[in-house]
Amino acid sequence: DAKTTQPTSMDCAEGRAANLPCNHSTISGNEYVYWYRQIHSQGPQYIIHGLKNNETNEMASLIITEDRKSSTLILPHATLRDTAVYYCIVRVRDNYGQNFVFGPGTRLSVLP
Amino acid sequence: DAGITQSPRHKVTETGTPVTLRCHQTENHRYMYWYRQDPGHGLRLIHYSYGVKDTDKGEVSDGYSVSRSKTEDFLLTLESATSSQTSVYFCAISESILTSQPQHFGDGTRLSIL
Repeated sequence: DAKTTQPTSMDCAEGRAANLPCNHSTISGNEYVYWYRQIHSQGPQYIIHGLKNNETNEMASLIITEDRKSSTLILPHATLRDTAVYYCIVRVRDNYGQNFVFGPGTRLSVLP
Repeated sequence: DAGITQSPRHKVTETGTPVTLRCHQTENHRYMYWYRQDPGHGLRLIHYSYGVKDTDKGEVSDGYSVSRSKTEDFLLTLESATSSQTSVYFCAISESILTSQPQHFGDGTRLSIL
């Protein structure tokens, strides 16, 4: 199973771009990279996902390296409400179908 | 945000009592899931459903049962609650089981078994 490695914590100044890295060096060719975040006492919130190409939506951009061994989630203009734990997940096929394995994530603190 | 409502949001009960948690969705998605989240373990899959009356076990299914009599409702039951089942429980839904489709999560039920 592909596993991910993320920094434990990061700080970002309000209004600046937040760049959250993720390593997934054992990813297989057909496995998607997903990003979720979890704000305290809420459920995980879907942000974005991608396979090979870079992706952008109203929340964020996802940059995946050409070899697919790492990716970066970019929040272009971080606000205080973006303070959360961010999870980089490689969706794997397991005995229960295809499920999400949430690791410890990166705790992002957006500072005023 | 996906239309997912979990109830109750908080519950405190005693060991040995039955507990039922409800997940209600308004998205008409076929797939529904129950996870539990504990410190140091991330989210772990308890049970999932791939249609009305179609359910299957997940990674940590012991002590839990589920039922899905309607597309919109997925119930999780602890027949005889134990302290080890104290946790935050999340329901999730998805349109398909394809890896290209995300799951969307509810806001959780915080359950304490005393």
